[in-house]
Amino acid sequence: EVQLVQSGAEVKKPGESLKISCEASGYGFTNYWIGWVRQMPGKGLEWMGMIFPDDSETKYNPSFQGRVTISVDKSISTAFLQWSSLQASDTAMYYCARHQPFDYWGQGTLVTVSS
Amino acid sequence: DIVMTQSPDSLAVSLGERATINCKSSQSVLHRFNNQNYLAWYQHKVGQSPKLLIYWASTRESGVPDRFSGIGSGTDFSLTISSLQAEDVAVYYCQQYFSIPWTFGQGTKVEIK
Repeated sequence: EVQLVQSGAEVKKPGESLKISCEASGYGFTNYWIGWVRQMPGKGLEWMGMIFPDDSETKYNPSFQGRVTISVDKSISTAFLQWSSLQASDTAMYYCARHQPFDYWGQGTLVTVSS
Repeated sequence: DIVMTQSPDSLAVSLGERATINCKSSQSVLHRFNNQNYLAWYQHKVGQSPKLLIYWASTRESGVPDRFSGIGSGTDFSLTISSLQAEDVAVYYCQQYFSIPWTFGQGTKVEIK
């Protein structure tokens, strides 16, 4: 059974750094792109970017380029999304999803950024 | 970027009635080399993760009830729920995976009348 299990909810202050994770199981992790989708409160879905675990090739939505970093550790079948300096506007639910199209999704990680 | 525009923004339908959601892309998502439309539909229920319903514009994902169907080509697509059930209350999104950045429609909220 394919599963994507994300790390738990986070509460952070503006300016802090954060790295959330998505552990995959039940399929060949290195064979599929895996990426991240943001849902801000009351808003729709936005694709942020994706990574191919086999060679770590990464593609970003220009709207998120430079604001986040997507990485992977294929030894533990886990993808990551990280911020070096959070802003209040990063408050959102973040989903990882296997591409393409997005056939399997993680349960979501709620990130709250507030002073 | 390819802009995806859904209509209507919300829809209230009686149980057992038909619900149709439209999706228009700002440019064609039909790939000439394989004649496939790079268009998917998702269902997103409150408190859950989105779920893939339809891909290649009309191929139903495994396990999706056959009351869900997708049609369209090029720039115009639709998702139909042939007989609305209570468990179909959700927000529905179309998404193109023709060119990066992949983009979603703004969502259509489906409710029971």
